[in-house]
Amino acid sequence: NAGVTQTPKFQVLKTGQSMTLQCAQDMNHNSMYWYRQDPGMGLRLIYYSASEGTTDKGEVPNGYNVSRLNKREFSLRLESAAPSQTSVYFCASGRALNEKLFFGSGTQLSVL
Amino acid sequence: QKEVEQNSGPLSVPEGAIASLNCTYSDRGSQSFFWYRQYSGKSPELIMSIYSNGDKEDGRFTAQLNKASQYVSLLIRDSQPSDSATYLCAVNRGNQFYFGTGTSLTVIP
Repeated sequence: NAGVTQTPKFQVLKTGQSMTLQCAQDMNHNSMYWYRQDPGMGLRLIYYSASEGTTDKGEVPNGYNVSRLNKREFSLRLESAAPSQTSVYFCASGRALNEKLFFGSGTQLSVL
Repeated sequence: QKEVEQNSGPLSVPEGAIASLNCTYSDRGSQSFFWYRQYSGKSPELIMSIYSNGDKEDGRFTAQLNKASQYVSLLIRDSQPSDSATYLCAVNRGNQFYFGTGTSLTVIP
């Protein structure tokens, strides 16, 4: 049982480049989330999707876009990367919005 | 004021002792409460969830919730070196989870 799968695990970008982080879950969960984790800041919510076809902004959405492609997949796109987006990104899923989260293994992103 | 506050530590306990981790939250509308463990370089994994006032035990772990005081705690009995990690407190309110910055625990053999 794979759970939540994120790709890539590591990525280095130059300022202004774009990229998409992929996330897929095989637990038939309705809710999916993207978080970033920075030292001393904890986990901060970027975007979430309560169900297929819906997305909503979290605490730090600026500079990001998301797509809930289907029930399994939720992608995060950086259109023009900035050094401030250097972080570890985690995708998570849950059966419903208020239920426990299961996390992917994370993406270490560096923007130079 | 932060939604969720934790003492960042580090907290050090000897092997076999009880480790006590604490968390406070700011919004009385918070509905459900979680403790996650995160090893260095890894993703958070759920240890405990608690939804009502009182204690909830699962093996060596006990979560305690006091909604009147807006306080959640995690006790780890018979601490083992493998418990050395950062422990994240998370609170659910409405559509979102709010995480504390975590408490670093070191269990000394």
